[in-house]
Amino acid sequence: QKEVEQDPGPLSVPEGAIVSLNCTYSNSAFQYFMWYRQYSRKGPELLMYTYSSGNKEDGRFTAQVDKSSKYISLFIRDSQPSDSATYLCAMNKGSTLGRLYFGRGTQLTVWP
Amino acid sequence: NAGVMQNPRHLVRRRGQEARLRCSPMKGHSHVYWYRQLPEEGLKFMVYLQKENIIDESGMPKERFSAEFPKEGPSILRIQQVVRGDSAAYFCASSPPDRSSYEQYFGPGTRLTVT
Repeated sequence: QKEVEQDPGPLSVPEGAIVSLNCTYSNSAFQYFMWYRQYSRKGPELLMYTYSSGNKEDGRFTAQVDKSSKYISLFIRDSQPSDSATYLCAMNKGSTLGRLYFGRGTQLTVWP
Repeated sequence: NAGVMQNPRHLVRRRGQEARLRCSPMKGHSHVYWYRQLPEEGLKFMVYLQKENIIDESGMPKERFSAEFPKEGPSILRIQQVVRGDSAAYFCASSPPDRSSYEQYFGPGTRLTVT
């Protein structure tokens, strides 16, 4: 079993839709949870991070962490064609080692 | 503030040659990480370095791969005697020393093709 599972999609939605992206994980040692956006043939771009359980909002993006279920989500409101990209979840055990564990990424297309 | 820089962006090597990938972290960042992304797969951790120190190399293949981050200059990921299976995108990330758990910023990557 992989430590971080993420449905690769693809996910296709119309402009203005609410998008829900999810990851599950198996290791209860994970403390920090990140979402990255990666455009085709570019490097990953850090969108948000959350520590432990709870919600965090930044503009149109909301990240949720449920440690009891080992489940994290990213919601995108009022989705735009420019949001079309691959979204990667990543996790860290919070130690000084700094290693990130990534999901495979979900490919999202927002069509006008 | 310039972001993480990697060069070359594209590298073509024949089997058996050496590949050298360079990474310059963001200004003020002293921690560097290397990740590899194979087609249809997520990013896989390879190595974590601080200046002149390898902190964690648990993701690095035991043979042919090495990494360094010298006191002066960029971090180098070196792959000796490349094989076709080494073809991938290699990404470098950097972080400030007190936020390594959650603030890693990635460079544009080096796409290595082994022919």
